Amino acid sequence: QVQLQESGPGLVKPSQTLSLICTVSIGSINSGGYYWSWIRQYPGKGLEWIGYIYYTGSTYYNPSLKSRVTMSLDTSKNQFSLNLNGVTAADTAVYYCARDRGGYSIFESWGQGTLVTVSP
Amino acid sequence: QSALTQPASVSGSPGQSITISCTGTSSDVGAYNYVSWYQQYPGKAPKLMIYDVSNRPSGVSNRFSGSKSGNTASLTISGLQAEDEADYYCSSYTTSSTVVFGGGTKLTVL
Repeated sequence: QVQLQESGPGLVKPSQTLSLICTVSIGSINSGGYYWSWIRQYPGKGLEWIGYIYYTGSTYYNPSLKSRVTMSLDTSKNQFSLNLNGVTAADTAVYYCARDRGGYSIFESWGQGTLVTVSP
Repeated sequence: QSALTQPASVSGSPGQSITISCTGTSSDVGAYNYVSWYQQYPGKAPKLMIYDVSNRPSGVSNRFSGSKSGNTASLTISGLQAEDEADYYCSSYTTSSTVVFGGGTKLTVL
């Protein structure tokens, strides 16, 4: 069973870049058929899809975040990453990484989530 | 893209059945059979319960079922149990090759 674990700073200052890494265990991110995803959840509220990246490096982003988001792969470390620039307090959320089977919103494996707070 | 529409809350008594709706548009829910449902307990990551409208992953109780009609998908939980009390979210693949989630529904078992 694939396992995912998010890591990164829990506190980011406004206007700076939020950077998170997801480490994948028991499974390779080089496997075709899976899309490596980032999803966030505002405190006490719903889920928002940020985007995903395929093992080829192709990326798909939420249109509302597209201008600020970059995702990448590090196959040597079996990791993928999220960069979100120009953050504001509105970006405060729990950030999850997840594996989507086929890219069709089948998020069958999730990390435990990491809270990122944007504050001076 | 706009979030899919779910009722904020539903409730039911043990043993009863409840249905949660998820309404989208012809660009998401209505476009493909790529609707999924997730169960989330407080402080935990969501868990996949239904995918491709009506398929259950291995290990998910057959008390959970999904369906779709037009632009609205539905999750039905039969034989309601106390452990089913959680938040439920739908998601859909879209014609723009993106994913959209619903706003979530809080299920209370009375």
